[in-house]
Amino acid sequence: AQTVTQSQPEMSVQEAETVTLSCTYDTSESDYYLFWYKQPPSRQMILVIRQEAYKQQNATENRFSVNFQKAAKSFSLKISDSQLGDAAMYFCAYRRSRRYDMRFGAGTRLTVKP
Amino acid sequence: EAGVAQSPRYKIIEKRQSVAFWCNPISGHATLYWYQQILGQGPKLLIQFQNNGVVDDSQLPKDRFSAERLKGVDSTLKIQPAKLEDSAVYLCASSQTQGALGNEQFFGPGTRLTVL
Repeated sequence: AQTVTQSQPEMSVQEAETVTLSCTYDTSESDYYLFWYKQPPSRQMILVIRQEAYKQQNATENRFSVNFQKAAKSFSLKISDSQLGDAAMYFCAYRRSRRYDMRFGAGTRLTVKP
Repeated sequence: EAGVAQSPRYKIIEKRQSVAFWCNPISGHATLYWYQQILGQGPKLLIQFQNNGVVDDSQLPKDRFSAERLKGVDSTLKIQPAKLEDSAVYLCASSQTQGALGNEQFFGPGTRLTVL
């Protein structure tokens, strides 16, 4: 069974600084996708970034980037130049290729201090 | 473009009562998902529809939960009778194509259910 583990229930960062959220997963598959979702207090989940397992290059979206270590089954999210609007729950998620059931981690609550 | 709509936003019921949630996906999205998010946990998929057919309902507690998507657009999720452990946020999501390469799921704001 595929599992997703986020070992940091809470993290905090100073505005304008950088923070890294950790995620590990367990799978025997070789073809899959990894995602980071943001869930602000309003509860609407928003896709932040995604990574295809077959791609060696780490995905980047503006201030958000990932460190994908396939052998270690690690998928961390780095947020640079943190902004107050980045405060939210962040969920790491896994999905097998050509499948629809997405597995989510328990989430990390990020606080951004002004 | 309008997002995924859900109603109601909040619902409080007593155990053994029935409740229904409604979801309207993004126009043109063929695939619709219902997730259950218990406090302190990540969302868990309950059921997935492709148009008006069920693709995956392996984690749906079928003795008390039911869902339908008539005409392949709106969907309703029903719980009858509700238990205390059903207290959670119920999220609806939609995407353009089933299983497409990492295609994005768009989430609604959710319905927070409290069972007393």
